[in-house]
Amino acid sequence: GQSLEQPSEVTAVEGAIVQINCTYQTSGFYGLSWYQQHDGGAPTFLSYNALDGLEETGRFSSFLSRSDSYGYLLLQELQMKDSASYFCAVLNTGGFKTIFGAGTRLFVKA
Amino acid sequence: DSGVTQTPKHLITATGQRVTLRCSPRSGDLSVYWYQQSLDQGLQFLIQYYNGEERAKGNILERFSAQQFPDLHSELNLSSLELGDSALYFCASSVADRGGNIQYFGAGTRLSVL
Repeated sequence: GQSLEQPSEVTAVEGAIVQINCTYQTSGFYGLSWYQQHDGGAPTFLSYNALDGLEETGRFSSFLSRSDSYGYLLLQELQMKDSASYFCAVLNTGGFKTIFGAGTRLFVKA
Repeated sequence: DSGVTQTPKHLITATGQRVTLRCSPRSGDLSVYWYQQSLDQGLQFLIQYYNGEERAKGNILERFSAQQFPDLHSELNLSSLELGDSALYFCASSVADRGGNIQYFGAGTRLSVL
């Protein structure tokens, strides 16, 4: 079967660094994406990893280890506006099908 | 604004009814994806179309169907509605049909089945 696991909630303080992990089990793995969703809003794309290693985009970085079926999203210099849900998503079946995790709710405190 | 337009924003209907959700992708995007998000849940992939053809199917119920038209807009039809179908339905679009292409999401249609 296919499954993704990520923590349901994470709390951190403004200015800190937080890491949201994602482990997956899927057939035909193609890549791992991360999306952010604020309450009442639509998901927005953050990053994508197809190969092992770290991808950096501003304050956000994403890491993938294909051999460990594991990835993480790293958020640095946390801001209050980063309070949102973060979803990891696996692309499989030749890159066509997108399977989302249940999401991690991040609370950033002052 | 992602450039993806979904209508209507809200829909309230009764059990047993049929509704149609509409999605217009971003200009130039050929792929359209449909997702269902129930309260405080993740996104459940329903179906993907690319340039009018079905590309991938998720756990879409037989009561649900979709299509993508020549002008690339897409419709999701939900029939014999049940209380459990109440959810946010998102449409997303992307340029390509696979890989790490960015999916741009519309604002969603909130369906309430009473």
